[in-house]
Amino acid sequence: EPEVTQTPSHQVTQMGQEVILRCVPISNHLYFYWYRQILGQKVEFLVSFYNNEISEKSEIFDDQFSVERPDGSNFTLKIRSTKLEDSAMYFCASSGLAGVGETQYFGPGTRLLVL
Amino acid sequence: GENVEQHPSTLSVQEGDSAVIKCTYSDSASNYFPWYKQELGKGPQLIIDIRSNVGEKKDQRIAVTLNKTAKHFSLHITETQPEDSAVYFCAAPLAPFGNEKLTFGTGTRLTIIP
Repeated sequence: EPEVTQTPSHQVTQMGQEVILRCVPISNHLYFYWYRQILGQKVEFLVSFYNNEISEKSEIFDDQFSVERPDGSNFTLKIRSTKLEDSAMYFCASSGLAGVGETQYFGPGTRLLVL
Repeated sequence: GENVEQHPSTLSVQEGDSAVIKCTYSDSASNYFPWYKQELGKGPQLIIDIRSNVGEKKDQRIAVTLNKTAKHFSLHITETQPEDSAVYFCAAPLAPFGNEKLTFGTGTRLTIIP
């Protein structure tokens, strides 16, 4: 069964450093998402991406964040200058369409720890 | 925007008994309600969903009910088994943009006691 994959599974970085989290969405999907989950809290929407541009973003997704689809298979989230509060689990998701009821399939996540 | 409340935050159930988790939502225009199961160290996985044109949907031991008037929906797990132990999240989309942005509930940690 097709699945969303993410690398790395864990990332430790120093505050102020840049990190890039990578995702490979399901191959025929067109819509891509990033969510984050701070330890013990709920999953929060960050950004959605379609047709090579951001379609919606939350207030969390400030200028420190960017997303890119550098080729036909990868979807990346970059944090330019990490802060302690960026420590969280980051989930990538994808869906075939964005209509009502289109299932979003989540990857296993990348656990980011900022020291 | 959409606000989703979920209760209870933790739930312990004897194996074989039923578990019920409830969510309320704020936006009456919302029309799609998925439930996700998150096991330790993994991403959320869709287990069942319901659209606003039906009041109930069942898939083996799992069912979801929707009350649009009261703006709440519930997950029902019958004949619970140890592998049902996980964190369960309800979600609702930000209407009218479909499911482009899912707003999640705060989660319910379900523990099945053998």
